[in-house]
Amino acid sequence: LAKTTQPISMDSYEGQEVNITCSHNNIATNDYITWYQQFPSQGPRFIIQGYKTKVTNEVASLFIPADRKSSTLSLPRVSLSDTAVYYCLVGEINTGGFKTIFGAGTRLFVKA
Amino acid sequence: KAGVTQTPRYLIKTRGQQVTLSCSPISGHRSVSWYQQTPGQGLQFLFEYFSETQRNKGNFPGRFSGRQFSNSRSEMNVSTLELGDSALYLCASLEGDPAGELFFGEGSRLTVL
Repeated sequence: LAKTTQPISMDSYEGQEVNITCSHNNIATNDYITWYQQFPSQGPRFIIQGYKTKVTNEVASLFIPADRKSSTLSLPRVSLSDTAVYYCLVGEINTGGFKTIFGAGTRLFVKA
Repeated sequence: KAGVTQTPRYLIKTRGQQVTLSCSPISGHRSVSWYQQTPGQGLQFLFEYFSETQRNKGNFPGRFSGRQFSNSRSEMNVSTLELGDSALYLCASLEGDPAGELFFGEGSRLTVL
């Protein structure tokens, strides 16, 4: 199972773009990459998912290089409410379902 | 649509007791997975159920068990509780099996005294 490594914490200011990189050197062919956001005392919430290249939705972009050994979550123009823990998740797909490995997460602090 | 519901939200047990936690997934979701979250270990995968069958299991001792019913509701049980079992237990239902989006509940916070 692919293990993930992320920075423990990051600071930013309102209005800035934030990029959080996740390393997953042992990612397997069938693995997909998903990012979740978690606020205190709540369950994680889906942000974005991708397999390769670039994916964009209304809240974030996900960049995945060709070797897929890392991925970068990009949050444009963050606000105070984006202060949370962000998890990079590598999911193993197999015919018998999935296992999900969460990394330690990145604590993002957005300052005014 | 209604989200994932977990009960109870909070509970306190003593060492040696057992506990059962319940999870009702989003209607139509057949996969339910369980996670343990602690400050020291982060979010750890416990097991995943699909159509009443356990498909995958994480690295937890046999004291941790689960099951899923025909209506996709799931329960997890921890027997012979230890202090280290104090944690937030989260369940999630999956949309778009297998490479889809996990919808998490608010969790059940277990304190073992």
